[in-house]
Amino acid sequence: DAKTTQPPSMDCAEGRAANLPCNHSTISGNEYVYWYRQIHSQGPQYIIHGLKNNETNEMASLIITEDRKSSTLILPHATLRDTAVYYCIVRPLNTGFQKLVFGTGTRLLVSP
Amino acid sequence: DAGVIQSPRHEVTEMGQEVTLRCKPISGHDYLFWYRQTMMRGLELLIYFNNNVPIDDSGMPEDRFSAKMPNASFSTLKIQPSEPRDSAVYFCASSLVDRGLIMEKLFFGSGTQLSVL
Repeated sequence: DAKTTQPPSMDCAEGRAANLPCNHSTISGNEYVYWYRQIHSQGPQYIIHGLKNNETNEMASLIITEDRKSSTLILPHATLRDTAVYYCIVRPLNTGFQKLVFGTGTRLLVSP
Repeated sequence: DAGVIQSPRHEVTEMGQEVTLRCKPISGHDYLFWYRQTMMRGLELLIYFNNNVPIDDSGMPEDRFSAKMPNASFSTLKIQPSEPRDSAVYFCASSLVDRGLIMEKLFFGSGTQLSVL
């Protein structure tokens, strides 16, 4: 599986957009980019995933560069409840189960 | 749906004692996973089941660890005997293979905080 690189921590003001970067320069053509987050004392929570097109859902937007070597998770209007560790994961999306390998993630702190 | 339910939420035990962690997956999900999280090693996959059958237990650290899934709605992770280095947060997750046999997301429980003294 391709490895990912994320900054260890980021800060964001409440109400502003939080842009979390992820580098995955060794990504393969059949590998998807997944984002999960883990709020303190809770299990990880799925946010979004994508292959090469930008994706948006009710939680966030995912922007993947044209060469697919990096991506950005965007929380358009961060709230205090978005304070969490955000994990960027790359894995192939084939039939059956593919192991999720969690790295160290980015610790996002949203402040008033 | 109530989500993935784990119990107990916290467990404190003494070295050498048997510990049993329990998990109820989301109804209808056919995959169940046990993860362990520590500060040093992060989130590690211990074992996963498909349709109640263990598929890959290569992440189970030692023979002291065992997991069972007697039916689609219940799984246990047992540590016997427990040791202080087993102290960690243990998460259970479930998932559903659909949309052309492609698994998209895992749903995690709130975890069991285990402390072995």
